[in-house]
Amino acid sequence: SQTIHQWPATLVQPVGSPLSLECTVEGTSNPNLYWYRQAAGRGLQLLFYSVGIGQISSEVPQNLSASRPQDRQFILSSKKLLLSDSGFYLCAWSRPDRFTYNEQFFGPGTRLTVL
Amino acid sequence: SQQGEEDPQALSIQEGENATMNCSYKTSINNLQWYRQNSGRGLVHLILIRSNEREKHSGRLRVTLDTSKKSSSLLITASRAADTASYFCATNGGGGNKLTFGTGTQLKVEL
Repeated sequence: SQTIHQWPATLVQPVGSPLSLECTVEGTSNPNLYWYRQAAGRGLQLLFYSVGIGQISSEVPQNLSASRPQDRQFILSSKKLLLSDSGFYLCAWSRPDRFTYNEQFFGPGTRLTVL
Repeated sequence: SQQGEEDPQALSIQEGENATMNCSYKTSINNLQWYRQNSGRGLVHLILIRSNEREKHSGRLRVTLDTSKKSSSLLITASRAADTASYFCATNGGGGNKLTFGTGTQLKVEL
């Protein structure tokens, strides 16, 4: 069976510090991978998605970047955090694009607070 | 911007009652999905309805889709306290498997 892991679960960082959030998927190969941010009481905003190693698409201009160094590893980074980067970050995976009508499977999320 | 907009934003009902949530979207879709999120947790997929389908059932869930009105509804029958969560619709516009999520309906089921 497939599982998705995210860490850390919670993180408190000062403004201007770097960020690295990691997401890994097990039990599948060549998944599509996604990073979302959710503000308190709001919907999900797609930040990045990836269809393969080294292939990253950015959905919104921002202070964040993403990388996919391995097939089942997706990393969200920032060189200098802003207060507005606070939120709940969710990683998700789905089967590759050649499969249609696919649901996404979400990790448990990371709660980031920038002070 | 969010394509899906759920209505109502919040819903409070008694256990045993039915809960209906609506979702409207703006552009053509390949499929529409509903997800559930317990507080502080990740989302869990509930049901997917294709653009050529009008109604789908899964257990106590019933989803309808009206592509002419660009709207969908999620009905939870005989609700339970454990159904308390936020519910999101998400649309897939056919460009790969990217989803656009709505703002969600917060459902509270009271004993």
